[in-house]
Formats: sequence, C-alpha cells, structure tokens
Amino acid sequence: AQKITQTQPGMFVQEKEAVTLDCTYDTSDQSYGLFWYKQPSSGEMIFLIYQGSYDEQNATEGRYSLNFQKARKSANLVISASQLGDSAMYFCAMREVLAGNQFYFGTGTSLTVIP
Amino acid sequence: EAGVAQSPRYKIIEKRQSVAFWCNPISGHATLYWYQQILGQGPKLLIQFQNNGVVDDSQLPKDRFSAERLKGVDSTLKIQPAKLEDSAVYLCASSSLRGAGGHGYTFGSGTRLTVV
Repeated sequence: AQKITQTQPGMFVQEKEAVTLDCTYDTSDQSYGLFWYKQPSSGEMIFLIYQGSYDEQNATEGRYSLNFQKARKSANLVISASQLGDSAMYFCAMREVLAGNQFYFGTGTSLTVIP
Repeated sequence: EAGVAQSPRYKIIEKRQSVAFWCNPISGHATLYWYQQILGQGPKLLIQFQNNGVVDDSQLPKDRFSAERLKGVDSTLKIQPAKLEDSAVYLCASSSLRGAGGHGYTFGSGTRLTVV
C-alpha cells in the first residue's frame, strides 16, 4: 500500500486565489510527522510546513496552512493568495518516528498559477 | 548553519561507466538519506544511514549501486555500471535523531545524472 497518496497530478489556480493540494497517508505508527515540500524547476527541495501527529492545531507558515484531519488520515496543503512564484511541484511526505525515521514521499502535484 | 552539501551538481556519463556522488550532511545530524528522483516522480529512498550503520537499503539496486558512510559523517553513493534508466536527480538529506519537527530534516541541492 502507498504510504502517501497525492491524487492530483496537476492543478491550476488563478493568481491571488487560494488552492488546496490533497494528501492522504497510511501508517500504523502513533508518532509521525507530515511535511510539505515545494520543488521548483531548479530541483531543490524547499521545506514548507510540518505537522506532528500529536499537534492539536493545524500548522501554519505564512501563506501556507496544513488542514490536518487525523481520523481521515489526510494532510492537505492550503496556499492562500497564490503568486506566480508558487508554480512548482509540491510533495507531501511522512516521517514514521518509531519505524526508524522512515521517510516517504508522494508522487507530487504540479501547481500552475495563472496570471 | 551550513546546509547539506552535495557534489557534483551535474554529471553526464555513458552507459556502463561508473559514477560517484558525495554528500556532507549538516553537522551533528545522525541520519543521512539518499534518494533517487526520476523526472516527473517523487523521490524514492535508496538508502538510509544512522551514524555509519545502514537502517534501510531495501530499494537500493545492490547489483550496481553501493553507498557508504564510513565515519558517520559524509557519504558516497556509487553506480557501477550505469544504465540509461539511472538518469535522475540524486538527493541527499539529513536529520537529527529527534528530527526537531520539519526544520530538522534538510535536503541538499541534488546531483542531476544523465546517462547517455
């Protein structure tokens, strides 16, 4: 079974609008972390936001927020007020702390911001 | 603090040749990861080290790929002999044992390998 599932291969959003990128995960660990990374065409992997499994509040980092629904095992990324520079690949990832810090990535979502 | 250093940045080789990539993690990070990212896909874990021991190498094609982290600091990933399908970006990442949340896990800039 896939550890991380991203069902949206590509998304488009109008500049200044908000967009939600979906991510579901599968783990039997009680202690885990969820991450979102941005990968522009340059190839670097840029950390965006993190949610720990025990965090009760949704994580926020500037224009990024993570909609964490533990019972549904989903960790969607919300980008508010999209900018042209947000166009990139976005990867959801999970770290299973008790399973030896295993780290798994989804297949990614390509986001294009339209002016 | 300095980030995860990787070299070379780009490499072009012919199939059946050998190639090696180098990674220097963030100082003090016990865990080091090598990923292969084929164009259009998510990174795939090749090998994970904790200090100088291997934690997971289940997806490492051991007939041609090898990796070492002799002193528990920097690491080398080797491909010998290379195949066309090895063309990818090879990413190195490191983390502290506790992880320190999202900021405790850092990627290098990657090595883009093209096999012709």
